[in-house]
This record gives sequence, structure tokens and C-alpha cells, in this order.
Amino acid sequence: AQTVTQSQPEMSVQEAETVTLSCTYDTSESDYYLFWYKQPPSRQMILVIRQEAYKQQNATENRFSVNFQKAAKSFSLKISDSQLGDAAMYFCAYRSTGANSKLTFGKGITLSVRP
Amino acid sequence: GAVVSQHPSRVICKSGTSVKIECRSLDFQATTMFWYRQFPKQSLMLMATSNEGSKATYEQGVEKDKFLINHASLTLSTLTVTSAHPEDSSFYICSARGYRGGLNSLEAFFGQGTRLTVV
Repeated sequence: AQTVTQSQPEMSVQEAETVTLSCTYDTSESDYYLFWYKQPPSRQMILVIRQEAYKQQNATENRFSVNFQKAAKSFSLKISDSQLGDAAMYFCAYRSTGANSKLTFGKGITLSVRP
Repeated sequence: GAVVSQHPSRVICKSGTSVKIECRSLDFQATTMFWYRQFPKQSLMLMATSNEGSKATYEQGVEKDKFLINHASLTLSTLTVTSAHPEDSSFYICSARGYRGGLNSLEAFFGQGTRLTVV
């Protein structure tokens, strides 16, 4: 079974600075999908970024980028120019490629942004 | 992104009664829906997976007779908490994945969640 590990329960960043959230996973599959979800205080889950494992290029979405290291099974999220609205809980998630496959979530990390 | 609407957002019910939570995909065909439970400051715990027209597959430890899931159409799934008890109080979230514009979506879209309080 796949597992996703987020070992840091909390992190803090100064507004406008850069922060990196760590995530590792374990799988025996060669093709899969990885995601970062954001859950603000409203508790609405929002997709931040996704990465297909067969793609070597790291995904980027505006201020959000990932460092995908397939051999190391590492999938970290970098948030540049942090904003107050980035304060939230962030979850790393893994999914197999099957049509009905489920998401496996990490425990999450609470990010606070200092003004 | 696609829109998934979950209703109600909050519900308070008396112990022993049943409560139904609806999850609708508004602009795509949700072939697979997922129901999660989340405690404060914790991750999402998958309760069950349902495919349209089929019986739901429950995760280990989840009572299927207590948490009834119906996925009768490509746009609607419901979770009914039967004979609710205070320990069922939690935040319940649905998510859906399916076809949008003829393409199978890689990502799941989430509803707003339902805060259930059993008194």
C-alpha cells in the first residue's frame, strides 16, 4: 500500500518570503499522480498543483512550484512571495493511475504567514 | 476547476435520528465519488468510494449500515448517517472525479464540507 509522509506538523514564513513544505511517499508503482491541496480556515479543499510521475519537468503554478525527485520519492512544495492568504493547512496526496483509484493523503502541515 | 456542491454546510441533529448529506457535481459527470471524515487539525480519512450505479466500497472499520451511501446518478451522491450519536459529530467532505468535456479528470474536486453536530 502507498503511504504519504509529511513530517513537519507546522511551519511559519514571513510575508513575501519563500517557504518549502516537505513530502515523501512510498510506492512500488512506476506511474502515478501527486498533488498538493490547500485547506484554508473555510475548510474547502483547493488543488494547488499536481504532478504526473512520468513527467520529468517539475510542475509550476504561478507562485507555487514543486521539486519532484522520483528516485528519492520526494515531492516538496515551494511557495514564493508568501501572502497572508497562503495561511492554511496543506496536504500532500498520492493517487494511482486507475480510474477509480483513491487519494492517499499525508497528515498535513499547518502553514502560518507572519505579516 | 469543476464545481462540487455539498449540502447542508452545517447540521445539528438529535441523537438517534438520521441525517442526509448531498453531494452534487454541477458541471461534470461524476463517475466516482469519495466520502471523507475529518477531525480538527487532522487529515482526511476516507470512508467509502462509490461508482455511479454500484454499491459503495467501504474502508476498513467504517460501518456500512451506519453510513449509507447512494450514488444513483452521475451528478448526485448522498451520505446518510443513521441513528446518529454524539461520536458521529465531525466534518464530512465529499469529492468527485469523472468526465468533463469528454476527458477523464485526473484530479478530484471537493465539496465545501458538512459540519455535523449530534446532540
